[in-house]
Amino acid sequence: EIVLTQSPGTLSLSPGERATLSCRASQRISSTYLAWYQQRPGQAPRLLIYDASSRATGIPDRFSGSGSGTDFTLTINRLEPEDLGVYYCQQYSSSPRTFGQGTKVEIK
Amino acid sequence: QVQLVQSGSELTKPGASVKVSCKASGYTFTTHAMNWVRQAPGQGLEWMGWINTNTGNPTYAQGFTGRYVFSLDTSVTTAYLQISSLKAEDTAVYYCARGHGYGDFDYWGQGTPVTVSS
Repeated sequence: EIVLTQSPGTLSLSPGERATLSCRASQRISSTYLAWYQQRPGQAPRLLIYDASSRATGIPDRFSGSGSGTDFTLTINRLEPEDLGVYYCQQYSSSPRTFGQGTKVEIK
Repeated sequence: QVQLVQSGSELTKPGASVKVSCKASGYTFTTHAMNWVRQAPGQGLEWMGWINTNTGNPTYAQGFTGRYVFSLDTSVTTAYLQISSLKAEDTAVYYCARGHGYGDFDYWGQGTPVTVSS
């Protein structure tokens, strides 16, 4: 099973700042099969990025993903108040599909 | 537009069973897998497995075998998750999520809270 470790645990930033979230895999993820999700308080998760760097439908270009192998990054530019929530990475390179433990983004 | 609408919250006792439904609309039901994801209170996301909506063949993640059953009724474009012999540790929100591409999940149901308490 591929274990995903996200850092930091919590990120507290002001509106307009840039957020950089990390996801590290215990094994190489083939073909960049990694996704990022946003979960706002009390809501279901929402797909942001798939295949490591492709934005999902309707996701603003403030969100971008990068990385390959075992190290992946989600960058949120020009942070907005609505961006608060928990962000999860997920791999689908192998079964079982696994999620990271999440990074909580707080808006100051 | 694509929608996954799940059944309402459940409050049930240990040893009982529960069946959660996930009604899909806005797309051809049999062209996308349906996944199930569990989120325990205050915890992260845990993939339970998926069901092939074309063949009805389910695949269960380790830890979700035996008491868990994924099923379909394609005539009403609905997927189901049944959990039997419920335990307190089954208390969680259960999500259905549509498979997208190779294995990510592009649309999610709103979640069904299941509470198991005596």
